[in-house]
Amino acid sequence: EVQLVESGGGLVQPEGSLRLSCAASGFTFSSHEMNWFRQAPGKGLEWVSYIGSSGTPMYYADSVKGRFTISRDNAKNSLYLQMNSLRAEDTAVYYCAREASFDALDVWGQGTMVTVSS
Amino acid sequence: AIQMTQSPSSLSASVGDRVTITCRASQGIRKDVGWFQQKPGKAPKLLIYDASRLQSGVPSRFSGSASGTDFTLTISNLQPEDFATYYCLQDYNYPFTFGPGTKVDIK
Repeated sequence: EVQLVESGGGLVQPEGSLRLSCAASGFTFSSHEMNWFRQAPGKGLEWVSYIGSSGTPMYYADSVKGRFTISRDNAKNSLYLQMNSLRAEDTAVYYCAREASFDALDVWGQGTMVTVSS
Repeated sequence: AIQMTQSPSSLSASVGDRVTITCRASQGIRKDVGWFQQKPGKAPKLLIYDASRLQSGVPSRFSGSASGTDFTLTISNLQPEDFATYYCLQDYNYPFTFGPGTKVDIK
C-alpha cells in the first residue's frame, strides 16, 4: 500500500525548534518530488516547501523562508522538515504529499499537529 | 504569487443535486489546476488534476473544466459522502497556492 506517515509534531514554545518526519512506503520514494503543506486550525491549506527527487532544488513559502529547512534521505525513504524560530502563526497540522509522475499531488499523509505556545 | 479566488465560499445542497464550484487564477496557468476534497480531521484527497483529468478511483460524478483562467469543479448527482470542503490548487509554479475553499453542506 502506498503510504506517507508524518511524525514529530507536538507542543513547542515560541522561538523553539521541531523536526517533522514523513516516512514513505509502498512506492519508489527516490523517484518522487515531495512537498510539505500546512493547515492552521479552522483555516485553509497552505503550501510550505518543495524538494526535488534527488534533494534539489528546494523551495519555500515566504512565511517560512530562513526558518524552515526541507531535506530527504532516499536511503531511508524519509522526508524531513526542520522548523526553527517557531512562531504562534506556525501552529497547524502539517502534511507531506507526493508529486505523481503526472505532477499531481496524489498521495498525502494523515498529518501531524504542531502547536506553538508558551 | 498567483492568487486563486474561489466561489462560492459555502453552499447548501441536497442529495442528487448538481453542484458547481469555480476558481479563477490571477494570471494564465495553462491547465495546471487540481481539485481536492477534505473532510474534517482528514487529509486532502485529490479528485481532479490538470483541470479535467479524473484521479484514479474517484467517482465519475466529479468532473473538471477550464476556460482561460477560470476553472470549474462539477459534482453531478451529489451523494451523502460528498459533503465536505473543496479546494482548488494551482501547481503551475511555486509557491503553489490554494483557493480559500468551498464548504458543501446538507440543505
